[in-house]
Amino acid sequence: AAGVIQSPRHLIKEKRETATLKCYPIPRHDTVYWYQQGPGQDPQFLISFYEKMQSDKGSIPDRFSAQQFSDYHSELNMSSLELGDSALYFCASSSPGTSGRGELFFGEGSRLTVL
Amino acid sequence: AQSVSQHNHHVILSEAASLELGCNYSYGGTVNLFWYVQYPGQHLQLLLKYFSGDPLVKGIKGFEAEFIKSKFSFNLRKPSVQWSDTAEYFCAIEYSSASKIIFGSGTRLSIRP
Repeated sequence: AAGVIQSPRHLIKEKRETATLKCYPIPRHDTVYWYQQGPGQDPQFLISFYEKMQSDKGSIPDRFSAQQFSDYHSELNMSSLELGDSALYFCASSSPGTSGRGELFFGEGSRLTVL
Repeated sequence: AQSVSQHNHHVILSEAASLELGCNYSYGGTVNLFWYVQYPGQHLQLLLKYFSGDPLVKGIKGFEAEFIKSKFSFNLRKPSVQWSDTAEYFCAIEYSSASKIIFGSGTRLSIRP
């Protein structure tokens, strides 16, 4: 079965550079979530999109922006990178279930290292 | 504030021991509850979920969890753990008033062979 695809899997950047992460949800899933997981930390919610509109916003820095495109894939853009941005960035997708928004299906994650 | 807390940061058990991991959440109306597992170096995977109905839910790999509304709890249990259960376990909650899922801080489970 198709899963959530994230690219790139690994990314190394210098401070103050820009990075873009991509997420391709499971087909027919209309909701995408972005989470940031630092070393030894729990996943922190960044932002979510439903039907190409931002649906909720968490602890996403102003230096970060994201959008969901017409084909439902999403991109997370990170500018002026800082050392503290080094983390595993997970994308997850879901489709509304019979109650609530259903479970999340996670991608393998994109590991960003900022030097 | 909407939040979920896991009491145990690190649990160490021997194989065949019974497991119970605590999870409590703050009141916020109707909730959906989840347990996710993250094996070393892997992404999060769903263990089990509760939306409504029978408060005792069974998941994969012999795990189960019980939703106790009066205690705002959703503890994870397994009667007999295996070495392969070594992983990080995250309780997660979705409030019906929000469109995001909030994760607890996670419990690292180490199993001694």
